[in-house]
Amino acid sequence: AQSVTQLDSHVSVSEGTPVLLRCNYSSSYSPSLFWYVQHPNKGLQLLLKYTSAATLVKGINGFEAEFKKSETSFHLTKPSAHMSDAAEYFCVVSEMRGAQKLVFGQGTRLTINP
Amino acid sequence: SQTIHQWPATLVQPVGSPLSLECTVEGTSNPNLYWYRQAAGRGLQLLFYSVGIGQISSEVPQNLSASRPQDRQFILSSKKLLLSDSGFYLCAWSNDRGRNQPQHFGDGTRLSIL
Repeated sequence: AQSVTQLDSHVSVSEGTPVLLRCNYSSSYSPSLFWYVQHPNKGLQLLLKYTSAATLVKGINGFEAEFKKSETSFHLTKPSAHMSDAAEYFCVVSEMRGAQKLVFGQGTRLTINP
Repeated sequence: SQTIHQWPATLVQPVGSPLSLECTVEGTSNPNLYWYRQAAGRGLQLLFYSVGIGQISSEVPQNLSASRPQDRQFILSSKKLLLSDSGFYLCAWSNDRGRNQPQHFGDGTRLSIL
C-alpha cells in the first residue's frame, strides 16, 4: 500500500528566503504524486503534480518539486517566500483501488515571518 | 470550466439531530466523487467515494452515509449526529481516467456539534 510521510509538522521561514517542505513516499509501483495547499477554512488547491514525465515539476505561485526515485522523496521548494504562502501543505500519493484514491500526508504548516 | 460547490459553509447542530450536506459539480460528466473529513490539526480521512449514480463505497465504519442521486450530486447524511462528527467536511471530484488525475476540492463545510 502507498503511504506518505511529511517530515516536518511546522516550518517557519522569513519572507524572501527559500522554502523547503519535505515529503517521502512509499509505493509498490510508479507513483503519481501531488502537492496541495490549504488556506484557513478553505478547501485544498492543487499546487503541482508528478505523473512520470519530467522529474522536476513546476507548479503555481512559484513552487516546484523534484521527484527522486532513489530517495523516494518529493520535496516542495520555492526560492523566495511570500507572506501569502502561509498555509498548510499536503503531500499526496495516488493509488487505484476501484477508483482513484489519494493518500494524504499529515500536513506541514508553513509560517512566514516578516 | 469545471466547478464544485458545497453548502452550507458552516453548520452548528445539536447532538442527535439529522444532517445533510450537499455537493454538486458542474462542467464535467461521470466524475468520481469523494467525501473527506478533516479533524482539527490533522490530515484528510476519506469517508466515501462514488464512481457513478447510486454507487457508494464506504472507507471507514461510522455514523454517516452518502448518496449519489444524480451524476454530479453527492450528499453526506446522518440520522443522528454524535459529538465526534464535528469537523471540516470536504467534497472532491476527479475525472474517471486513471490514477494520474488530481482531485479538485470544494471549499468545505465546518460542522460543529453541540
